[in-house]
Amino acid sequence: GENVEQHPSTLSVQEGDSAVIKCTYSDSASNYFPWYKQELGKRPQLIIDIRSNVGEKKDQRIAVTLNKTAKHFSLHITETQPEDSAVYFCAASISGTASKLTFGTGTRLQVTL
Amino acid sequence: NAGVTQTPKFQVLKTGQSMTLQCAQDMNHEYMSWYRQDPGMGLRLIHYSVGAGITDQGEVPNGYNVSRSTTEDFPLRLLSAAPSQTSVYFCATRRTASSNQPQHFGDGTRLSIL
Repeated sequence: GENVEQHPSTLSVQEGDSAVIKCTYSDSASNYFPWYKQELGKRPQLIIDIRSNVGEKKDQRIAVTLNKTAKHFSLHITETQPEDSAVYFCAASISGTASKLTFGTGTRLQVTL
Repeated sequence: NAGVTQTPKFQVLKTGQSMTLQCAQDMNHEYMSWYRQDPGMGLRLIHYSVGAGITDQGEVPNGYNVSRSTTEDFPLRLLSAAPSQTSVYFCATRRTASSNQPQHFGDGTRLSIL
């Protein structure tokens, strides 16, 4: 089955700096890559996703890049703010009937003042 | 429109007890699933369903049962609770069984097994 590795496990940045979280996946057939943000004690919430037919997607301060050849994708957060502090999860899946999301182990991002 | 509703929010059980975690959705989503979240291990799929009457196993199904008698409900049953099942459990849904769509999570159930 699919295996998703995520790095780093913790990341501390100063407010205003950029943060980058990287994930690699094992199954070359994977074609959907969402990112979830989970604040302490809350549910995971989708913040951005990318499909394999594009290499980059942006939404305000958040961007995701995908390198299908190398089988890795990354989350970029620019101009970080304290409210960006949370755990971020990447995931991967193969489209099709009953496709299942496989999650990375998460990155705890701390934005310091 | 409540989205995905999980009950209870917290539960403490003794080893060997059984219980059912409830998940209900009002979005008419085909796909429903259960995950457990443990520190350092991300979200791991327990069971999933692609529609009423259809269920299948995920990555970590042992010790859990599910059923899907209606589109709206997808209960998770612990048959004989063990300390290793102490975890936070999330129910998640998406509109259809195929991928490439956002999954919507419930608020979670924090379960402790003594």
